[in-house]
Amino acid sequence: EAEVAQSPRYKITEKSQAVAFWCDPISGHATLYWYRQILGQGPELLVQFQDESVVDDSQLPKDRFSAERLKGVDSTLKIQPAELGDSAMYLCASSLGGTGGPATIYNEQFFGPGTRLTVL
Amino acid sequence: RKEVEQDPGPFNVPEGATVAFNCTYSNSASQSFFWYRQDCRKEPKLLMSVYSSGNEDGRFTAQLNRASQYISLLIRDSKLSDSATYLCVVKKAAGNKLTFGGGTRVLVKP
Repeated sequence: EAEVAQSPRYKITEKSQAVAFWCDPISGHATLYWYRQILGQGPELLVQFQDESVVDDSQLPKDRFSAERLKGVDSTLKIQPAELGDSAMYLCASSLGGTGGPATIYNEQFFGPGTRLTVL
Repeated sequence: RKEVEQDPGPFNVPEGATVAFNCTYSNSASQSFFWYRQDCRKEPKLLMSVYSSGNEDGRFTAQLNRASQYISLLIRDSKLSDSATYLCVVKKAAGNKLTFGGGTRVLVKP
């Protein structure tokens, strides 16, 4: 069964350091999402890509976070510098489509195992 | 006010019992509704979609009340393996963006 891959699974860093997370979506999935999930809360969308283009980054703290999907396949999320409040699970998801088609159609998002970030 | 609100629980449920819990959403433009399940330290997985007429999938029944803007999930004959956090999820009409609630934790005990 095809899966979304993420690495690393766990990352411990000190505040002010730079960290990067990698995601490889399910083959053929055009849409890729990065979520942040703070312990005890639901996932919150940080950025959504359609192929290589950003379609929604309204919740991405752009002063320290950046995301790219240069070839429209795998993606990298970077935090520089990391802050204590960035400690969370960072989840990547992918779906077949995302922005086109009938409004009521839901293209199921499949999640990867996540990267658990601890900032000390 | 959060766009999607859930009782965080935990709901402690004896094995074999029935448990039900709700989720409220504030945006009337929400078009589609789902329940996702998330096991401890794992990724969320789609449990079921929620249709206007209500729908059932085995021991799980989901209901939607658009007038009162809430959805519900009922689990019958609870199994130990049902222990998880259940995330209420809504989608607006346009696009594929999901908004998640904070989750309801369910603990099924022998």
